[in-house]
Amino acid sequence: QKEVEQNSGPLSVPEGAIASLNCTYSDRGSQSFFWYRQYSGKSPELIMFIYSNGDKEDGRFTAQLNKASQYVSLLIRDSQPSDSATYLCAVTFKAAGNKLTFGGGTRVLVKP
Amino acid sequence: EAEVAQSPRYKITEKSQAVAFWCDPISGHATLYWYRQILGQGPELLVQFQDESVVDDSQLPKDRFSAERLKGVDSTLKIQPAELGDSAMYLCASSSRTSVYEQYFGPGTRLTVT
Repeated sequence: QKEVEQNSGPLSVPEGAIASLNCTYSDRGSQSFFWYRQYSGKSPELIMFIYSNGDKEDGRFTAQLNKASQYVSLLIRDSQPSDSATYLCAVTFKAAGNKLTFGGGTRVLVKP
Repeated sequence: EAEVAQSPRYKITEKSQAVAFWCDPISGHATLYWYRQILGQGPELLVQFQDESVVDDSQLPKDRFSAERLKGVDSTLKIQPAELGDSAMYLCASSSRTSVYEQYFGPGTRLTVT
């Protein structure tokens, strides 16, 4: 069973602070890593993807990948109340035909 | 901006009834996915199509669920008969040939089985 684990939260963050979300995965053969944002009652929205070790920045978002330690993280800088949502980590496992496997999500609450 | 379309947005049905969901992917996207998301959990893949062919339906409960994408464009997911445990959000997503793993989701159909 290929697994993707996330802390369910909620992660409470003051407005303007950095939110740090972590995701661990069970398969060293994993190849592609994605972060989706999901507002309550809405569908997931792709916000970041990363394929190589290291950092990838896009606006206020930074994805960090460490394949040796089997984790991927998402940093949200200058957090805004509009960032309050559930963040889903998704991973492709080669042994599972490269389909996306999602974690359960981390709920983030940004307090003004 | 191109979007994935789904209908209906909400569906309430009684158990043992049949229900169907429709999805129209982003134009030109060859790969179409149906996911089920139970409240508080991540989406779970039910079926994946590449053009009109099923690539993966290993998690589709085939005794009651069926899916088709006859012309390789839009798709229908059917449940017959519906059970109480089928209450969930049903999400459709699509991806292009060049960026297969970058999936874009439609608004979803919220199903409630009573």
